[in-house]
Amino acid sequence: EAGVTQFPSHSVIEKGQTVTLRCDPISGHDNLYWYRRVMGKEIKFLLHFVKESKQDESGMPNNRFLAERTGGTYSTLKVQPAELEDSGVYFCASSPIVGLAGAGPSIYNEQFFGPGTRLTVL
Amino acid sequence: GNSVTQMEGPVTLSEEAFLTINCTYTATGYPSLFWYVQYPGEGLQLLLKATKADDKGSNKGFEATYRKETTSFHLEKGSVQVSDSAVYFCALSDRSGYSTLTFGKGTMLLVSP
Repeated sequence: EAGVTQFPSHSVIEKGQTVTLRCDPISGHDNLYWYRRVMGKEIKFLLHFVKESKQDESGMPNNRFLAERTGGTYSTLKVQPAELEDSGVYFCASSPIVGLAGAGPSIYNEQFFGPGTRLTVL
Repeated sequence: GNSVTQMEGPVTLSEEAFLTINCTYTATGYPSLFWYVQYPGEGLQLLLKATKADDKGSNKGFEATYRKETTSFHLEKGSVQVSDSAVYFCALSDRSGYSTLTFGKGTMLLVSP
């Protein structure tokens, strides 16, 4: 079974340009998360999709960031226009929604991470 | 809000040495606790987890015990190998939310032969 994939693995752009990152989750995983690690700092949550709906986007830093998940499959994260402080590694993760017997569906399941996209803004 | 604090790195050890990476957390309620590992050139992988107080997570010789009284989840291994060289992240998931993860800054481990 293929894992979470991300494209590109590296991107170097100039300040003011636009970049689009893509994440393909594990097939059948309804939860999709974006995280970001700025150099030397914590990995921070950006947003969470359940299928095609944004469940939580409280971690999005500003309106230069736009995430989409049309059709509930792959997701894109666009940064427009990019600034120097946007440099970092962007991770995507996915997880299933699995029901526990008699307890209804649970969304507390292991997140599987992709290799990340390293973004450098010059 | 939730937060995770882990020891600064890098941690440099010789092969077969004992490893401890400290992790403490702040959270409301009863979070689940995790250790993730990132090997060079790869993505984050779940190393081990614990979902309630006094649980011990273990995998690949690594262990961590969920200590509610000290709000800690220290990672230990009795004898490290060169192949354990990686960045280790402590994380928590707040059960009151949608299981988004709060991470520490990561600790790089370098093991020399």
